[in-house]
Amino acid sequence: QVHLVESGGGLVKPGGSLRLSCAASGFTFSDYYMSWIRQAPGKGLEWVSYISTSGNTIYYADSVKGRFTISRDNAKNSLYLQMSSLRAEDTAVYYCARVFAVVRRPDYFDYWGQGTLVTVSS
Amino acid sequence: DIQMTQSPSSLSASVGDRVTITCRASQSIGSYLNWYQQIPGKAPKLLIYSASSLQGGVPSRFSGSGSGTDFTLTISSLQPEDFATYYCQESYRAPYTFGQGTKLAIK
Repeated sequence: QVHLVESGGGLVKPGGSLRLSCAASGFTFSDYYMSWIRQAPGKGLEWVSYISTSGNTIYYADSVKGRFTISRDNAKNSLYLQMSSLRAEDTAVYYCARVFAVVRRPDYFDYWGQGTLVTVSS
Repeated sequence: DIQMTQSPSSLSASVGDRVTITCRASQSIGSYLNWYQQIPGKAPKLLIYSASSLQGGVPSRFSGSGSGTDFTLTISSLQPEDFATYYCQESYRAPYTFGQGTKLAIK
């Protein structure tokens, strides 16, 4: 079955950097768009970024544009999120999610990992 | 950006009740609307996609309807495991906004 496991979260100081990883299994990773979605403590869900199957198409939320970089390694069945210039408001659980896309158009998030917590604090 | 507004923000109901949650988009999004369930401490789970299509493995007591700007999620007969927070999400265009959530509690 589909399995997504995030790692790399932790405590980081404002202005610092962190790299999240998501290991995928149970499906052909290279066939699917992938996405990062986050949830601040006690708050709702916020889409962060998505990447196409080949990595040629990438979109970011305005709140992270220029600071976060999404990437993938299809040979390793892995998704990444490089986060830099971190702010207190980036504190959240970060989920990776598989994207069901129709004709290269992202549609819905059909499988989610369990999330990894990123805390930005001095 | 498209704004998604859910109502109510919270509600209390009893096992066996029929419950309806609404989601309104700030502009027409066709049927590009999805619903997720989140149990505390767990990852969200897809329930309904494309406004009315039931994701595989989801009980048939869940249903979705609507198009354009107004959508509903209905649970026909609440079960104990349904008490959770529900989110709508538009997939019309980035940034794929989620609603603020509706917390469903036991009365």
